[in-house]
Amino acid sequence: AQSVTQLDSHVSVSEGTPVLLRCNYSSSYSPSLFWYVQHPNKGLQLLLKYTSAATLVKGINGFEAEFKKSETSFHLTKPSAHMSDAAEYFCVVRDYGGATNKLIFGTGTLLAVQP
Amino acid sequence: DGGITQSPKYLFRKEGQNVTLSCEQNLNHDAMYWYRQDPGQGLRLIYYSQIVNDFQKGDIAEGYSVSREKKESFPLTVTSAQKNPTAFYLCASSTRPGTDSYEQYFGPGTRLTVT
Repeated sequence: AQSVTQLDSHVSVSEGTPVLLRCNYSSSYSPSLFWYVQHPNKGLQLLLKYTSAATLVKGINGFEAEFKKSETSFHLTKPSAHMSDAAEYFCVVRDYGGATNKLIFGTGTLLAVQP
Repeated sequence: DGGITQSPKYLFRKEGQNVTLSCEQNLNHDAMYWYRQDPGQGLRLIYYSQIVNDFQKGDIAEGYSVSREKKESFPLTVTSAQKNPTAFYLCASSTRPGTDSYEQYFGPGTRLTVT
């Protein structure tokens, strides 16, 4: 069965400093992995996705993630945080248990950006 | 503009009443999903539908019902049998499984409060 674990429930950074949000996955198959972002009281927006092409995936708003099979990780990074990056971030794996597009969500990491 | 609309944004109901949440999409997606979001728990799948007139239970379907009479619409009814209905409800859609682009697109959500 597929699963994801987000290692930090809260991360706080200063504006202009790097962001690292950690995610480990478990999958019996070559996984499809995603990062979504949710601003308060809003829906989720796709930041980036990994689907077995390049291991370094670039997303929107300067975010990127690296797929590391040896470490079963898919950490999200950004070189310089902006105040508008403050939000909740979800690491997600596609469920291959059936012929569906079901997704399995991590419990989320709340990113705070201090001025 | 293509997208997913959910209405209303906020909904208040008395305990014991059924309530229906609306979800409409104009993305021409075959598959639609309903999720429930509670603090610290990520998103949990309630129901999903891969095609008109067909739907399947997700992980937490008890106390909920859905219909899929039209491709564009996937309403969710929260019944009085749902023990803890107060939550943020998110609707999503995606292309049919087996296509290349299968990420889910989310609506803005409905916050339901039952007292």
